[in-house]
Amino acid sequence: GESVGLHLPTLSVQEGDNSIINCAYSNSASDYFIWYKQESGKGPQFIIDIRSNMDKRQGQRVTVLLNKTVKHLSLQIAATQPGDSAVYFCAGRYNFNKFYFGSGTKLNVKP
Amino acid sequence: EAQVTQNPRYLITVTGKKLTVTCSQNMNHEYMSWYRQDPGLGLRQIYYSMNVEVTDKGDVPEGYKVSRKEKRNFPLILESPSPNQTSLYFCASRGGQETQYFGPGTRLLVL
Repeated sequence: GESVGLHLPTLSVQEGDNSIINCAYSNSASDYFIWYKQESGKGPQFIIDIRSNMDKRQGQRVTVLLNKTVKHLSLQIAATQPGDSAVYFCAGRYNFNKFYFGSGTKLNVKP
Repeated sequence: EAQVTQNPRYLITVTGKKLTVTCSQNMNHEYMSWYRQDPGLGLRQIYYSMNVEVTDKGDVPEGYKVSRKEKRNFPLILESPSPNQTSLYFCASRGGQETQYFGPGTRLLVL
């Protein structure tokens, strides 16, 4: 099946710093990518998405960058807060209805 | 409140005893999907449904069945559960937009 890899399993940042979480994907036919946040005991929560015809998309305190040349996706969180502590994972879509997910990066925000 | 609900949230069963995990959404979404989440593997798609009576296999369909008789419900059926189906299961739905909304998860232990 398709796979999405993550560069680091755990990321620790200081409160107020910016966080960058990276993701690599293998399927060049993927047309849509999503970042999710998952807190302990809860289902994944949508953060931000980006279509393959875009390079960058910004939300509230979050930015997703897509580099199709090297099949790389990143999530930037500005001014990281303790409430941002969670597991973050990326997902890609192919064939419109099929999704594949990375295993996640655990973000620890130190006060 | 727009939501995806799953029942039960926790289930312990024995090998071979048929079980059903229910999933319901109140957003009139056409697309619904089931995933399992295992440590180090991320979410993997089991089955998905594009509309009533239309279902298709995801990446790991073996040992599972689904049905979509009504738009709001998408039950996951394990006819003869085995220990390797011990996992955390998530149901998700999406409508005209691409964002998937996930349920809270069902933790299944097969002894």
